[in-house]
Amino acid sequence: EPEVTQTPSHQVTQMGQEVILRCVPISNHLYFYWYRQILGQKVEFLVSFYNNEISEKSEIFDDQFSVERPDGSNFTLKIRSTKLEDSAMYFCASSSDREIQPQHFGDGTRLSIL
Amino acid sequence: RKEVEQDPGPFNVPEGATVAFNCTYSNSASQSFFWYRQDCRKEPKLLMSVYSSGNEDGRFTAQLNRASQYISLLIRDSKLSDSATYLCVVNFGNEKLTFGTGTRLTIIP
Repeated sequence: EPEVTQTPSHQVTQMGQEVILRCVPISNHLYFYWYRQILGQKVEFLVSFYNNEISEKSEIFDDQFSVERPDGSNFTLKIRSTKLEDSAMYFCASSSDREIQPQHFGDGTRLSIL
Repeated sequence: RKEVEQDPGPFNVPEGATVAFNCTYSNSASQSFFWYRQDCRKEPKLLMSVYSSGNEDGRFTAQLNRASQYISLLIRDSKLSDSATYLCVVNFGNEKLTFGTGTRLTIIP
């Protein structure tokens, strides 16, 4: 069964540094997403991406965040200057349509900011 | 505001028992509904989509009540491997999924 893959599985970074989280969505999917989950809290939407542009973003997704699809397979989330409160699990997801089909999640990157 | 509410539990249930969870959502125009399960520190995994007519997948049955804006999940003949957090998830007609806090289930041998 095709799956979403994410790298790295764990990233430890000093506060203020830039991080790039990588994802390879399922190959025939067209819609891509990033979510995060702070320890002990619910999964929260960050951003959706379709046709090489952001289609929706949450208020969490401020100017420090950006997403990119640099080639035909990778989908990346960049945090420019990390803060302590960015420590969380970051999940990438993809789906074949916008509303009806479920989104399939990668196994996440645990980001720890020191 | 678009919200999904769940009883966080925990539910501690003996092996073989039947357990049911409910979830309520705030927006009657919601488009699609799902149950995901999440094991500790892992990703959400799709358990099943929830259809208007209700649907069943083996020991799992999901129901949707649009008039009352709630969704249910029934697990029959529970197994030890069913221990997880069950996430009620709604697509409110835009692209993002809105998650409930999850209901934690522990199956006791």
